[in-house]
Amino acid sequence: DTAVSQTPKYLVTQMGNDKSIKCEQNLGHDTMYWYKQDSKKFLKIMFSYNNKELIINETVPNRFSPKSPDKAHLNLHINSLELGDSAVYFCASSRKRTPRGVGTEAFFGQGTRLTVV
Amino acid sequence: DAKTTQPPSMDCAEGRAANLPCNHSTISGNEYVYWYRQIHSQGPQYIIHGLKNNETNEMASLIITEDRKSSTLILPHATLRDTAVYYCGRGSGNTGKLIFGQGTTLQVKP
Repeated sequence: DTAVSQTPKYLVTQMGNDKSIKCEQNLGHDTMYWYKQDSKKFLKIMFSYNNKELIINETVPNRFSPKSPDKAHLNLHINSLELGDSAVYFCASSRKRTPRGVGTEAFFGQGTRLTVV
Repeated sequence: DAKTTQPPSMDCAEGRAANLPCNHSTISGNEYVYWYRQIHSQGPQYIIHGLKNNETNEMASLIITEDRKSSTLILPHATLRDTAVYYCGRGSGNTGKLIFGQGTTLQVKP
């Protein structure tokens, strides 16, 4: 009974193609995220959605477009794939922070390893 | 994140305490200190977090210095299964955004 699930787990595609990665969480969380992990294992946030509203966009190229049809899903569409997009992409979710800023843990999916050839 | 620094690797003997340091000298007042770990390229797994007080849970203890510029994650009795990359990070209390350091590869040896 996976809490945060991503599909596909592996994705190999040619340069210039358009691809999507899907993410679903069954934890009832309000906030979802996309992180990118490069070949040096550096984890960096890309986007965050809260109740289907974009709240974080970390200067990611316009070729990356997140879409949240409902608060349990956050998909990532990538246009015109480039070699540098090869990485592992992680989806995550967490409970909404309160105005008091109560910290809560984020749950991560298993990742999607994208290889652009 | 260049402002969050961790040693690239550490070794620990099985059964001994593993103490993993992290410097986060530019952490802001509403940012929490978070620790996650990643085993075999799985998704990062939450360990513990804190604001300014020391914290303990079933997995680990977190010691945060009084000025909040550094912290130490303590695994009290490391096992072989604790071999992983440990990420220290700053987490916004408002947006939930996590900014990670480069991670420390902890190798627990028999």
